[in-house]
Amino acid sequence: DTGVSQDPRHKITKRGQNVTFRCDPISEHNRLYWYRQTLGQGPEFLTYFQNEAQLEKSRLLSDRFSAERPKGSFSTLEIQRTEQGDSAMYLCASSLGRLNTYGYTFGSGTRLTVV
Amino acid sequence: GESVGLHLPTLSVQEGDNSIINCAYSNSASDYFIWYKQESGKGPQFIIDIRSNMDKRQGQRVTVLLNKTVKHLSLQIAATQPGDSAVYFCAEIPRQAGTALIFGKGTTLSVSS
Repeated sequence: DTGVSQDPRHKITKRGQNVTFRCDPISEHNRLYWYRQTLGQGPEFLTYFQNEAQLEKSRLLSDRFSAERPKGSFSTLEIQRTEQGDSAMYLCASSLGRLNTYGYTFGSGTRLTVV
Repeated sequence: GESVGLHLPTLSVQEGDNSIINCAYSNSASDYFIWYKQESGKGPQFIIDIRSNMDKRQGQRVTVLLNKTVKHLSLQIAATQPGDSAVYFCAEIPRQAGTALIFGKGTTLSVSS
């Protein structure tokens, strides 16, 4: 297992289209997080799973956003009816527990551009 | 809302100098802090962490200092190298169960040789 994998690395979509991103966490990690990062800013928390249960959602996560983690393994983040303001880097992270040596491991992200 | 912030948006140093990157946090309930390094086009990379029951922690060429009295966190990089050029973020985890990492805005470190 080489770390957290995200797919695709880049996505360009037209406004109004739906997009879906995938995250494969480190296999033994039970926690999975989605973050969004815009240029020049730190990552902003979107949502978090412990195993297959979605335990927390940020108010940033509008009803156009939905995330799933079936079977507690990989996760998907879907954005419906994309808007230009959704353009950002979407980062996934995983961890084993809450306070974990070496912190949370991040993937390289999916860069979304809405045109 | 409460958040973690960094004092300076940019820091420029010469190769071989020591670098100090500062961060002020506002959530006194946070019990775990992490420094991340982010290079262009990549996700944040763990550097070092510290728990709230510690004042100092050392790694390879890096030291993190935590001052809970003034809610201040710093990252010291010894003998800074060009490969250290990146954006550095501090992040905190509030003590409330289930709350994820909260990041500040970042400091861009530029190392010239």
